[in-house]
Amino acid sequence: QKEVEQNSGPLSVPEGAIASLNCTYSDRGSQSFFWYRQYSGKSPELIMFIYSNGDKEDGRFTAQLNKASQYVSLLIRDSQPSDSATYLCAVRGNKLVFGAGTILRVKS
Amino acid sequence: DAGITQSPRYKITETGRQVTLMCHQTWSHSYMFWYRQDLGHGLRLIYYSAAADITDKGEVPDGYVVSRSKTENFPLTLESATRSQTSVYFCASSGPGPTSPYEQYFGPGTRLTVT
Repeated sequence: QKEVEQNSGPLSVPEGAIASLNCTYSDRGSQSFFWYRQYSGKSPELIMFIYSNGDKEDGRFTAQLNKASQYVSLLIRDSQPSDSATYLCAVRGNKLVFGAGTILRVKS
Repeated sequence: DAGITQSPRYKITETGRQVTLMCHQTWSHSYMFWYRQDLGHGLRLIYYSAAADITDKGEVPDGYVVSRSKTENFPLTLESATRSQTSVYFCASSGPGPTSPYEQYFGPGTRLTVT
């Protein structure tokens, strides 16, 4: 079992819809959780982090954390074609571990 | 304000050659990292450094050497390049803050091809 798992996708959503990206992790001691966005051919860019159970909102992005179920998700409201990218989940236990990423495609 | 830069951006080398990838950051961040990114594997940590003259191995350190004599520079050397080291290499840094060193900022990457 991988330490951090993400569905590779692609996840296709129409413009204006909500995109839901999920990530599960194996280390119950994990303390903080990060979402990075990576456009094709570019470097990862940090968009959000969360370390408490519940929701954290930042503009059109909402990170959701459920430590009991060991999953973290990223919701993107009013999805735009410019949101099309690979989204990497990273989980901090005693080290930072990245998932392989989910490809998101927003169709106009 | 350049932030974090990497050079070269693209490199083709032959098996057995030594090659050095450079990383430079202008933020005076204490932590610096080297990752490789391969299809299906995501980002894997090669080496990291908590400060000048302090380095430690990550998940996949074999075949790589690092040094950090100055806070702003963190070069990665492939001592004898192999085809399995063909990859995209990212340097990252992390500064002070509640999520340090896990809140990381990435350079633009170096695409390395070993023939």
